[in-house]
Amino acid sequence: DQQVKQNSPSLSVQEGRISILNCDYTNSMFDYFLWYKKYPAEGPTFLISISSIKDKNEDGRFTVFLNKSAKHLSLHIVPSQPGDSAVYFCAASARGATNKLIFGTGTLLAVQP
Amino acid sequence: KAGVTQTPRYLIKTRGQQVTLSCSPISGHRSVSWYQQTPGQGLQFLFEYFSETQRNKGNFPGRFSGRQFSNSRSEMNVSTLELGDSALYLCASSLPTSGSNIQYFGAGTRLSVL
Repeated sequence: DQQVKQNSPSLSVQEGRISILNCDYTNSMFDYFLWYKKYPAEGPTFLISISSIKDKNEDGRFTVFLNKSAKHLSLHIVPSQPGDSAVYFCAASARGATNKLIFGTGTLLAVQP
Repeated sequence: KAGVTQTPRYLIKTRGQQVTLSCSPISGHRSVSWYQQTPGQGLQFLFEYFSETQRNKGNFPGRFSGRQFSNSRSEMNVSTLELGDSALYLCASSLPTSGSNIQYFGAGTRLSVL
């Protein structure tokens, strides 16, 4: 049972435009959500997170939006840069199992120069 | 501050053997979690250790085990290796009281079982 889903395996965006990566979850016990970026042969790198008590969190070019009623979150990257090309994973954790991250399957983002 | 360090980076074993992977967390981090990444199953949680005690466990068979030492370094062991155990094994550490659940990952150990 895939509790965290990223339905788009890949996304291609032009440099300077907005990249929007989506993630859906099914477990209503999840209360913390994170986005990680991963290059091949490296571990995931933390990007941004959001608690379920918020609906938006910004950090520089990265903004995460959380819609609890829809059980949906999205990561916006503005403006997109070629160096952003990587696989992006969303992850979720529940209260009581805060370090047990449940990951989505990832979205490969390609930013074209 | 040094990041999460995993050794070795690459490992080749044959079926039936056992293997031990090592993880040194970021200084001051007391929680260490392990994940398995495969093309078919993605990133899956194995277990978490905090203060030398296993605090959470994923859905993996008993062949997968771990431990944590008093200095927070952790090891995971896989016994009786199977071909399907070929994967990237990732270790992550976090602060005990961050409340933000952010885990920081090492580069991983790539295990190939022949």
